[in-house]
Amino acid sequence: AQTVTQSQPEMSVQEAETVTLSCTYDTSESDYYLFWYKQPPSRQMILVIRQEAYKQQNATENRFSVNFQKAAKSFSLKISDSQLGDAAMYFCAYRRGGATNKLIFGTGTLLAVQP
Amino acid sequence: KAGVTQTPRYLIKTRGQQVTLSCSPISGHRSVSWYQQTPGQGLQFLFEYFSETQRNKGNFPGRFSGRQFSNSRSEMNVSTLELGDSALYLCASSTTGTENIQYFGAGTRLSVL
Repeated sequence: AQTVTQSQPEMSVQEAETVTLSCTYDTSESDYYLFWYKQPPSRQMILVIRQEAYKQQNATENRFSVNFQKAAKSFSLKISDSQLGDAAMYFCAYRRGGATNKLIFGTGTLLAVQP
Repeated sequence: KAGVTQTPRYLIKTRGQQVTLSCSPISGHRSVSWYQQTPGQGLQFLFEYFSETQRNKGNFPGRFSGRQFSNSRSEMNVSTLELGDSALYLCASSTTGTENIQYFGAGTRLSVL
């Protein structure tokens, strides 16, 4: 069975600084996708970034980038130039390839941004 | 384009009752998935519907059921509510294809007293 592990329950970063959130996963599949979702206090889950397992290049979306280490099954999220609006719960998620939309989530990391 | 709409936003029920939650996906999306979010268990997959057929199911008791209509709107039903069913229920819709992305609604907060 696939699992996703986030070992940092809480993190804190100063505004304008950089922070990295960790995620590891376990799977025997070769075709899969990895995601980082953000859940602010409003509860709405928002996609931050997505990575296809077959792509070696790390995904980047503006201030957000990932470090995808396939052999180590590691998928960390780096947030550069942190902003107050980045404060939220961040979830790492896994989806295997094929006809399914089932996401397996980690336990989340609560990110606080200090002014 | 309107996002995923879940109704109601808040619900209070008592043990033993049943409840129906509704999810309207983004226009054009044919897949709808449901998740339960609790402080103790985190985010857990309930089930997924595609073109009115259940495509995947999580490890939940038979009291949890769902369905999808021809317009892709989905409902989930929980019968004989238990205190442990108190949770945030999230619905997500997505397009088809292997690189689809799930878009989430704001959720329904269910409290069972």
